[in-house]
Amino acid sequence: NAGVTQTPKFQVLKTGQSMTLQCAQDMNHNSMYWYRQDPGMGLRLIYYSASEGTTDKGEVPNGYNVSRLNKREFSLRLESAAPSQTSVYFCASSGTGGLTNTGELFFGEGSRLTVL
Amino acid sequence: GNSVTQMEGPVTLSEEAFLTINCTYTATGYPSLFWYVQYPGEGLQLLLKATKADDKGSNKGFEATYRKETTSFHLEKGSVQVSDSAVYFCALRANTPLVFGKGTRLSVIA
Repeated sequence: NAGVTQTPKFQVLKTGQSMTLQCAQDMNHNSMYWYRQDPGMGLRLIYYSASEGTTDKGEVPNGYNVSRLNKREFSLRLESAAPSQTSVYFCASSGTGGLTNTGELFFGEGSRLTVL
Repeated sequence: GNSVTQMEGPVTLSEEAFLTINCTYTATGYPSLFWYVQYPGEGLQLLLKATKADDKGSNKGFEATYRKETTSFHLEKGSVQVSDSAVYFCALRANTPLVFGKGTRLSVIA
């Protein structure tokens, strides 16, 4: 079972370059999320999509944009990368019932991004 | 706003020792509470959850009880193994996307 698939797994960028992180899930989940993980900071929500066609800002949205391309796919774009965006990025999805359901989040394996 | 505070690590234990990782929360309404585990090089995966007060979540020998009176959800295991070495995250959901604590790194030595 594929679950949540993220690409690429590793990426090195120079300051000012742009890139898109791709995420796809095959569990027919309504909600999808992008988190970043930094040492000592835990996971912080960047953007989320409660259902196809909707996106909302999380705790740390500045410098990022997202697209919910369809029910399966949710991409994260860095338009002009900065060293402060060096992090590990995780995509996650959760099942039907929207944000208030008590179901678990399913995570991808992460994308390690370094901005020089 | 909603928040989770968990004990800072790292925590280093010998095999078969007792484990407690403290977690307290602040939330409006009636949150669901979770513990997630992250093994080296992997994403997070759900370890256990509790959806209402006094519920006990359990999995793989780990337990946590939802204590509304103390707003706590401490993680415990009676006898840890080397394979339990990982980072553990407490999290809550209260009509919002999941909010995570900062994580506690556990190292178990043989």
